[in-house]
Amino acid sequence: GNSVTQMEGPVTLSEEAFLTINCTYTATGYPSLFWYVQYPGEGLQLLLKATKADDKGSNKGFEATYRKETTSFHLEKGSVQVSDSAVYFCALGWTNTGFQKLVFGTGTRLLVSP
Amino acid sequence: DVKVTQSSRYLVKRTGEKVFLECVQDMDHENMFWYRQDPGLGLRLIYFSYDVKMKEKGDIPEGYSVSREKKERFSLILESASTNQTSMYLCASSLFGEADTQYFGPGTRLTVL
Repeated sequence: GNSVTQMEGPVTLSEEAFLTINCTYTATGYPSLFWYVQYPGEGLQLLLKATKADDKGSNKGFEATYRKETTSFHLEKGSVQVSDSAVYFCALGWTNTGFQKLVFGTGTRLLVSP
Repeated sequence: DVKVTQSSRYLVKRTGEKVFLECVQDMDHENMFWYRQDPGLGLRLIYFSYDVKMKEKGDIPEGYSVSREKKERFSLILESASTNQTSMYLCASSLFGEADTQYFGPGTRLTVL
């Protein structure tokens, strides 16, 4: 079945460090891929997405490239800020019996210290 | 901005009680979803609805039911709450045909004693 695997956290970084959060997927067909972010005390919000192979999603300095050959969608940011501390969820979108669904990874907590 | 609101941020109930979790969205979205979020398991889909009075089971529907009498409101019902239903419950909505771009509420942390 369709599934998403992402690295366990927490990931602890100092401000201005480079961030990578790994995400790989298993899917039939051609899914869309997403990163959602959950700030403390809030619901999830869409961070970025890519709908086909080699697409790059980007937002707020974060980037991820849809790599079909390695079935990956790693999240990167060149210089993290304390305000980026949150839980990041990789997700896969697919259509089943006419309905689109999302399958989420387990989440990776990022902690950024000043 | 899309706003999804949930009736309670924190809720404590006793085993065997009937529990209602309410979700309201203000953007005329056709699709609405209920998830539960548990550490190490991520988000798991309980039920979703693509129209008024329509519902579909998600991955873990056992022990839950839902109601969608109006387009903006989607209720999750625990008929007889059990301790293993202690969790964070998240509601989401999306436009029809864009179910992958979901807007989430802040969540309800339910504790069943």
